[in-house]
Amino acid sequence: GAVVSQHPSWVICKSGTSVKIECRSLDFQATTMFWYRQFPKQSLMLMATSNEGSKATYEQGVEKDKFLINHASLTLSTLTVTSAHPEDSSFYICSARVGGSSGNTIYFGEGSWLTVV
Amino acid sequence: QKEVEQNSGPLSVPEGAIASLNCTYSDRGSQSFFWYRQYSGKSPELIMFIYSNGDKEDGRFTAQLNKASQYVSLLIRDSQPSDSATYLCAVNPASYDKVIFGPGTSLSVIP
Repeated sequence: GAVVSQHPSWVICKSGTSVKIECRSLDFQATTMFWYRQFPKQSLMLMATSNEGSKATYEQGVEKDKFLINHASLTLSTLTVTSAHPEDSSFYICSARVGGSSGNTIYFGEGSWLTVV
Repeated sequence: QKEVEQNSGPLSVPEGAIASLNCTYSDRGSQSFFWYRQYSGKSPELIMFIYSNGDKEDGRFTAQLNKASQYVSLLIRDSQPSDSATYLCAVNPASYDKVIFGPGTSLSVIP
Protein backbone atom coordinates (compact mmCIF):
# COMPACT_ATOMS: atom_id res chain seq x y z
CA GLY A 1 0.00 0.00 0.00
CA ALA A 2 0.90 3.65 -0.16
CA VAL A 3 3.26 5.03 2.48
CA VAL A 4 2.42 8.07 4.55
CA SER A 5 4.99 9.35 7.00
CA GLN A 6 4.24 11.64 9.92
CA HIS A 7 6.69 13.56 12.08
CA PRO A 8 7.22 13.92 14.96
CA SER A 9 5.81 10.82 16.60
CA TRP A 10 5.87 12.44 20.04
CA VAL A 11 6.03 16.07 21.02
CA ILE A 12 5.76 17.86 24.33
CA CYS A 13 5.31 21.60 24.34
CA LYS A 14 4.60 24.31 26.84
CA SER A 15 1.19 25.89 27.06
CA GLY A 16 0.95 28.93 24.82
CA THR A 17 3.51 27.78 22.28
CA SER A 18 2.93 26.44 18.78
CA VAL A 19 3.84 23.06 17.41
CA LYS A 20 4.02 21.84 13.83
CA ILE A 21 3.30 18.31 12.64
CA GLU A 22 4.34 17.17 9.17
CA CYS A 23 2.64 14.61 6.97
CA ARG A 24 4.40 13.31 3.86
CA SER A 25 3.35 10.94 1.12
CA LEU A 26 6.53 9.01 0.34
CA ASP A 27 5.75 7.07 -2.81
CA PHE A 28 2.86 8.91 -4.38
CA GLN A 29 1.49 12.38 -4.88
CA ALA A 30 -1.38 13.29 -2.62
CA THR A 31 -3.58 16.13 -3.77
CA THR A 32 -5.79 15.59 -0.76
CA MET A 33 -4.80 14.81 2.79
CA PHE A 34 -6.93 14.61 5.91
CA TRP A 35 -6.17 15.49 9.50
CA TYR A 36 -7.79 13.63 12.38
CA ARG A 37 -7.70 13.93 16.12
CA GLN A 38 -8.31 11.05 18.47
CA PHE A 39 -8.67 11.19 22.23
CA PRO A 40 -7.98 8.02 24.23
CA LYS A 41 -10.59 5.31 23.73
CA GLN A 42 -12.59 7.53 21.38
CA SER A 43 -13.29 7.50 17.66
CA LEU A 44 -11.35 9.28 14.96
CA MET A 45 -12.56 12.83 14.55
CA LEU A 46 -11.98 14.44 11.17
CA MET A 47 -10.62 17.93 11.67
CA ALA A 48 -10.01 19.17 8.16
CA THR A 49 -9.38 18.29 4.56
CA SER A 50 -6.13 19.62 3.16
CA ASN A 51 -6.02 20.32 -0.55
CA GLU A 52 -2.77 21.01 -2.36
CA GLY A 53 -2.50 24.61 -3.43
CA SER A 54 -5.70 25.78 -1.80
CA LYS A 55 -7.16 26.50 1.60
CA ALA A 56 -8.07 23.66 3.88
CA THR A 57 -11.69 22.79 4.52
CA TYR A 58 -12.43 22.56 8.22
CA GLU A 59 -15.10 20.46 9.86
CA GLN A 60 -17.72 22.14 11.96
CA GLY A 61 -16.45 23.13 15.36
CA VAL A 62 -12.77 23.08 14.44
CA GLU A 63 -11.07 26.45 14.84
CA LYS A 64 -9.18 27.22 11.65
CA ASP A 65 -7.12 29.95 13.31
CA LYS A 66 -5.94 27.54 15.96
CA PHE A 67 -5.24 24.57 13.72
CA LEU A 68 -3.37 25.94 10.74
CA ILE A 69 -3.07 23.61 7.79
CA ASN A 70 -0.74 24.13 4.87
CA HIS A 71 -0.52 21.85 1.85
CA ALA A 72 2.12 23.57 -0.24
CA SER A 73 3.24 20.57 -2.27
CA LEU A 74 1.85 17.30 -3.56
CA THR A 75 3.77 15.35 -0.93
CA LEU A 76 3.59 17.50 2.19
CA SER A 77 0.86 18.81 4.44
CA THR A 78 1.50 20.44 7.80
CA LEU A 79 -0.70 21.01 10.82
CA THR A 80 0.31 23.74 13.23
CA VAL A 81 -1.38 23.87 16.60
CA THR A 82 -1.10 27.49 17.66
CA SER A 83 -1.16 28.74 21.24
CA ALA A 84 -1.48 25.19 22.45
CA HIS A 85 -3.30 24.41 25.68
CA PRO A 86 -3.45 21.22 27.73
CA GLU A 87 -6.87 20.40 26.26
CA ASP A 88 -5.20 20.18 22.85
CA SER A 89 -3.22 17.18 24.06
CA SER A 90 -4.29 14.36 21.80
CA PHE A 91 -3.26 11.90 19.11
CA TYR A 92 -3.15 13.64 15.74
CA ILE A 93 -3.22 11.49 12.63
CA CYS A 94 -2.90 12.47 9.02
CA SER A 95 -4.02 10.45 6.06
CA ALA A 96 -3.75 10.69 2.32
CA ARG A 97 -6.22 9.73 -0.32
CA VAL A 98 -5.18 7.50 -3.18
CA GLY A 99 -7.69 7.46 -5.98
CA GLY A 100 -8.50 4.43 -8.07
CA SER A 101 -10.96 3.47 -10.73
CA SER A 102 -13.36 2.10 -8.13
CA GLY A 103 -12.95 4.82 -5.56
CA ASN A 104 -10.64 6.25 -2.95
CA THR A 105 -8.45 4.46 -0.45
CA ILE A 106 -7.18 6.20 2.66
CA TYR A 107 -3.73 5.48 4.06
CA PHE A 108 -2.74 6.77 7.47
CA GLY A 109 0.46 8.18 8.83
CA GLU A 110 1.89 6.82 12.06
CA GLY A 111 0.28 9.53 14.15
CA SER A 112 1.69 12.18 16.45
CA TRP A 113 1.15 12.29 20.19
CA LEU A 114 0.95 15.86 21.42
CA THR A 115 1.24 16.64 25.10
CA VAL A 116 0.83 20.24 26.21
CA VAL A 117 2.13 20.97 29.68
CA GLN B 1 -26.65 12.34 6.89
CA LYS B 2 -24.00 9.91 5.84
CA GLU B 3 -23.45 7.43 8.65
CA VAL B 4 -21.50 4.29 9.33
CA GLU B 5 -22.47 2.21 12.34
CA GLN B 6 -20.71 -0.55 14.19
CA ASN B 7 -21.24 -2.33 17.49
CA SER B 8 -18.70 -0.85 19.88
CA GLY B 9 -18.14 -4.17 21.62
CA PRO B 10 -16.05 -5.36 23.20
CA LEU B 11 -16.32 -8.57 21.23
CA SER B 12 -14.52 -11.44 22.88
CA VAL B 13 -13.65 -14.67 21.09
CA PRO B 14 -11.43 -17.57 22.10
CA GLU B 15 -8.18 -18.14 20.28
CA GLY B 16 -8.70 -20.14 17.10
CA ALA B 17 -12.35 -19.13 16.69
CA ILE B 18 -13.90 -17.01 13.98
CA ALA B 19 -14.44 -13.36 14.83
CA SER B 20 -17.30 -11.67 12.98
CA LEU B 21 -17.42 -7.89 12.78
CA ASN B 22 -20.37 -6.07 11.25
CA CYS B 23 -20.96 -2.64 9.84
CA THR B 24 -23.96 -0.89 8.32
CA TYR B 25 -24.05 2.30 6.29
CA SER B 26 -26.74 4.77 5.35
CA ASP B 27 -25.75 5.97 1.87
CA ARG B 28 -27.16 3.45 -0.56
CA GLY B 29 -24.96 4.77 -3.36
CA SER B 30 -21.71 4.06 -1.52
CA GLN B 31 -19.09 2.46 -3.69
CA SER B 32 -16.00 1.62 -1.69
CA PHE B 33 -15.72 -0.11 1.65
CA PHE B 34 -12.73 -0.57 3.91
CA TRP B 35 -11.67 -2.29 7.09
CA TYR B 36 -8.92 -0.83 9.23
CA ARG B 37 -7.27 -2.27 12.32
CA GLN B 38 -6.10 0.05 15.07
CA TYR B 39 -3.96 -1.12 17.95
CA SER B 40 -4.09 0.93 21.12
CA GLY B 41 -1.92 4.02 20.79
CA LYS B 42 -1.27 3.44 17.08
CA SER B 43 -2.79 4.80 13.90
CA PRO B 44 -5.21 2.74 11.78
CA GLU B 45 -3.82 0.22 9.34
CA LEU B 46 -5.69 -0.80 6.19
CA ILE B 47 -6.59 -4.51 6.24
CA MET B 48 -8.92 -4.87 3.28
CA PHE B 49 -11.06 -3.02 0.83
CA ILE B 50 -14.00 -4.30 -1.15
CA TYR B 51 -15.95 -2.74 -3.97
CA SER B 52 -18.26 -5.48 -5.29
CA ASN B 53 -21.00 -7.53 -3.72
CA GLY B 54 -19.90 -10.86 -2.34
CA ASP B 55 -16.84 -12.11 -0.53
CA LYS B 56 -13.22 -11.12 -0.77
CA GLU B 57 -10.62 -13.23 0.96
CA ASP B 58 -7.08 -12.31 1.99
CA GLY B 59 -5.34 -14.82 4.21
CA ARG B 60 -7.31 -15.21 7.41
CA PHE B 61 -9.52 -12.23 6.59
CA THR B 62 -12.72 -12.27 4.55
CA ALA B 63 -14.70 -9.14 3.77
CA GLN B 64 -18.33 -9.56 2.81
CA LEU B 65 -20.38 -6.88 1.10
CA ASN B 66 -24.14 -6.78 0.61
CA LYS B 67 -25.13 -3.51 -1.01
CA ALA B 68 -28.85 -4.35 -1.07
CA SER B 69 -28.83 -4.70 2.71
CA GLN B 70 -26.23 -1.96 3.16
CA TYR B 71 -23.90 -3.94 5.30
CA VAL B 72 -20.31 -5.01 5.17
CA SER B 73 -18.66 -7.50 7.46
CA LEU B 74 -15.21 -8.77 8.29
CA LEU B 75 -14.52 -12.35 9.29
CA ILE B 76 -11.26 -13.27 10.96
CA ARG B 77 -10.55 -17.00 10.91
CA ASP B 78 -8.29 -18.74 13.39
CA SER B 79 -8.28 -15.65 15.60
CA GLN B 80 -5.02 -14.93 17.38
CA PRO B 81 -4.34 -12.82 20.47
CA SER B 82 -2.42 -10.47 18.18
CA ASP B 83 -5.71 -9.74 16.41
CA SER B 84 -6.94 -7.98 19.55
CA ALA B 85 -7.52 -4.41 18.43
CA THR B 86 -10.21 -1.98 17.38
CA TYR B 87 -11.56 -2.56 13.89
CA LEU B 88 -12.81 0.43 11.95
CA CYS B 89 -15.26 0.17 9.09
CA ALA B 90 -15.02 2.95 6.53
CA VAL B 91 -17.22 3.84 3.58
CA ASN B 92 -16.74 6.15 0.61
CA PRO B 93 -20.22 7.46 -0.18
CA ALA B 94 -21.22 8.27 -3.71
CA SER B 95 -20.28 11.73 -4.99
CA TYR B 96 -18.42 12.50 -1.76
CA ASP B 97 -14.70 12.89 -1.55
CA LYS B 98 -14.37 11.91 2.09
CA VAL B 99 -14.27 8.49 3.63
CA ILE B 100 -16.64 8.11 6.56
CA PHE B 101 -15.45 6.02 9.50
CA GLY B 102 -17.54 4.05 11.91
CA PRO B 103 -16.85 4.27 15.64
CA GLY B 104 -14.99 0.97 15.65
CA THR B 105 -15.49 -2.42 17.30
CA SER B 106 -13.10 -3.55 19.99
CA LEU B 107 -12.06 -7.18 19.55
CA SER B 108 -10.42 -9.23 22.26
CA VAL B 109 -9.04 -12.67 21.43
CA ILE B 110 -8.67 -14.74 24.59
CA PRO B 111 -5.75 -17.21 24.69
